[in-house]
Amino acid sequence: EAGVVQSPRYKIIEKKQPVAFWCNPISGHNTLYWYLQNLGQGPELLIRYENEEAVDDSQLPKDRFSAERLKGVDSTLKIQPAELGDSAVYLCASSLEDRGKQYFGPGTRLTVT
Amino acid sequence: AQKVTQAQTEISVVEKEDVTLDCVYETRDTTYYLFWYKQPPSGELVFLIRRNSFDEQNEISGRYSWNFQKSTSSFNFTITASQVVDSAVYFCALSGIAGGTSYGKLTFGQGTILTVHP
Repeated sequence: EAGVVQSPRYKIIEKKQPVAFWCNPISGHNTLYWYLQNLGQGPELLIRYENEEAVDDSQLPKDRFSAERLKGVDSTLKIQPAELGDSAVYLCASSLEDRGKQYFGPGTRLTVT
Repeated sequence: AQKVTQAQTEISVVEKEDVTLDCVYETRDTTYYLFWYKQPPSGELVFLIRRNSFDEQNEISGRYSWNFQKSTSSFNFTITASQVVDSAVYFCALSGIAGGTSYGKLTFGQGTILTVHP
């Protein structure tokens, strides 16, 4: 069974530029999560989708961050414009709706210069 | 609000030593899940265990064992006869069960960096 796929694995951009991350969850998993992991910290939830609906986006900085999950499968997380403080690893995870066990992708390491 | 505390920032042991990683949590939910994840240098979080709050039986899986004590809100993780391949960052996490206020949201601790020397 294929795991959660994320791309790109690494991204370096200059501040004020836009950036987008892509995630493909495990087949059949209708719940998808985006987490932010700062260096030396545990992941923090940004947004959770149930199918195509964002059911928890309370931690997403909506002035510059946006996310979408069209058709309830793949998802894209965007930052526009990026700031130096956005440098971190962005993790995607998926789960079956009622199971609680989340499977994580390898993450995208973003560096903003 | 939920909170997970891993007081040990870094642990260093020599191969074959036993090591215990501590985890203490806070939650207002009456039912919840507790997890341990491993994050090797490659970066991908690897699921190790999930425990329901109403099941306080300790669990053993090979060299890994977990001690859940609801009375002290602790969920500690022990690696017996550690190996170099166990070197990683280990995270304890907490989430609500369906119907709870924290359903679907994993709250992670800060992580414990474990280094096993040959």
